[in-house]
Amino acid sequence: DARVTQTPRHKVTEMGQEVTMRCQPILGHNTVFWYRQTMMQGLELLAYFRNRAPLDDSGMPKDRFSAEMPDATLATLKIQPSEPRDSAVYFCASGLRQTYGYTFGSGTRLTVV
Amino acid sequence: AQSVTQPDIHITVSEGASLELRCNYSYGATPYLFWYVQSPGQGLQLLLKYFSGDTLVQGIKGFEAEFKRSQSSFNLRKPSVHWSDAAEYFCAVGPAQGAQKLVFGQGTRLTINP
Repeated sequence: DARVTQTPRHKVTEMGQEVTMRCQPILGHNTVFWYRQTMMQGLELLAYFRNRAPLDDSGMPKDRFSAEMPDATLATLKIQPSEPRDSAVYFCASGLRQTYGYTFGSGTRLTVV
Repeated sequence: AQSVTQPDIHITVSEGASLELRCNYSYGATPYLFWYVQSPGQGLQLLLKYFSGDTLVQGIKGFEAEFKRSQSSFNLRKPSVHWSDAAEYFCAVGPAQGAQKLVFGQGTRLTINP
């Protein structure tokens, strides 16, 4: 089965450090999402790309978060500097606009101490 | 504003019993509706989706959901649950047109008693 691959699976870092999370979408998928999951807020949409172009990043704290797709096989989410409140599970999902059914990766569990 | 409400945070049922998870949505236009399941430490897996047509949709793992426009509901059902169904279930809504951003409910955690 095709899958969305996220790395790393777990990351523990100190406050103030830069964190980069990576996502390899399913080959051929033209839509990529980044979601954040916390107990308090549930699943929040951070950013959304189609054909590698950012369409919406309104859910992302602009001062410290950035999302990019350097090429069709890689999406990155970067936090600089990281803060304890960024501790969460970050999910990447990819899909085809036409079928509207997204495949989620297994997530990156980030802990900022 | 778009919103999804899953009234039950946690549900416990016995193995073999029937299941219904509730989902209510608020949406200004024609919505597309989804149910996802999340096992511990895993990402979300799509169970089923409703776009149009027959209001009773069948999904994977023996799940089904019924769209009721008059009640703004999209409840998930299964006639007989298995221990492996223990997980967190999320209802989501997205627009039929434009950006396909999904809004998720807070989730319902399902526990299965043996």
